[in-house]
Amino acid sequence: EIVLTQSPGTLSLSPGERATLSCRASQSISGRSLAWYQQKPGQAPRLIIYDASSRATGIPDRFSGSGSGTDFTLTVSRLEPEDLAVYYCLQYGFSPRTFGQGTKVEIK
Amino acid sequence: EVHLVESGGTLLQPGGSLRLSCEASGFTFKDYSMNWVRQAPGKGLEWVSYISRSSTNIYYADSVKGRFTISRDNAKNLLYLQMNNLRDEDTAVYYCARNLFDWLLVPLDYWGQGTLVTVSS
Repeated sequence: EIVLTQSPGTLSLSPGERATLSCRASQSISGRSLAWYQQKPGQAPRLIIYDASSRATGIPDRFSGSGSGTDFTLTVSRLEPEDLAVYYCLQYGFSPRTFGQGTKVEIK
Repeated sequence: EVHLVESGGTLLQPGGSLRLSCEASGFTFKDYSMNWVRQAPGKGLEWVSYISRSSTNIYYADSVKGRFTISRDNAKNLLYLQMNNLRDEDTAVYYCARNLFDWLLVPLDYWGQGTLVTVSS
């Protein structure tokens, strides 16, 4: 199965700063089949990006995704306090679908 | 608005059995394939099982194959997970989640709030 490795483990930034989260796959993912989820404390995950760069319904445009092959990035252009969460990537190019271990975003 | 509400989680001993339910509303349930995903306390997400909209195609993670059974009742808008021979490592919050399209290899777009299953002696 494909292993997704997310970095950094924790990101501590101030409001208004830019957050860059990485997700690296153990082998190339076909069709840019990579999604990003946001999980706030005590809540279910929420889809924010799919197909590597398409924003899900209702997601603000300060969230963007990029990448292909084995390297993918989630960028939050201007952090807001409500962006405090753990962010997971999911690959769905191969069965079984697998998740990364998560990156925790802390707001200073 | 899409709503998924899980129920059935509880504390039980190793070797026990349990059935989880997920009630769907706000969309045409029979048109979407569904999944169970779990999250152990303080850990990441693990896909558990998938069922196509007509129950024709069913898949399981290796960690639960032979012990868990996924099913659905499209007339009642219900998704189920029958869990047998439970182990300590099955302790987790179990989420039901909808596939974006009726196909296995697509993202999950809506998730329920989850139900906690604790396996401990």
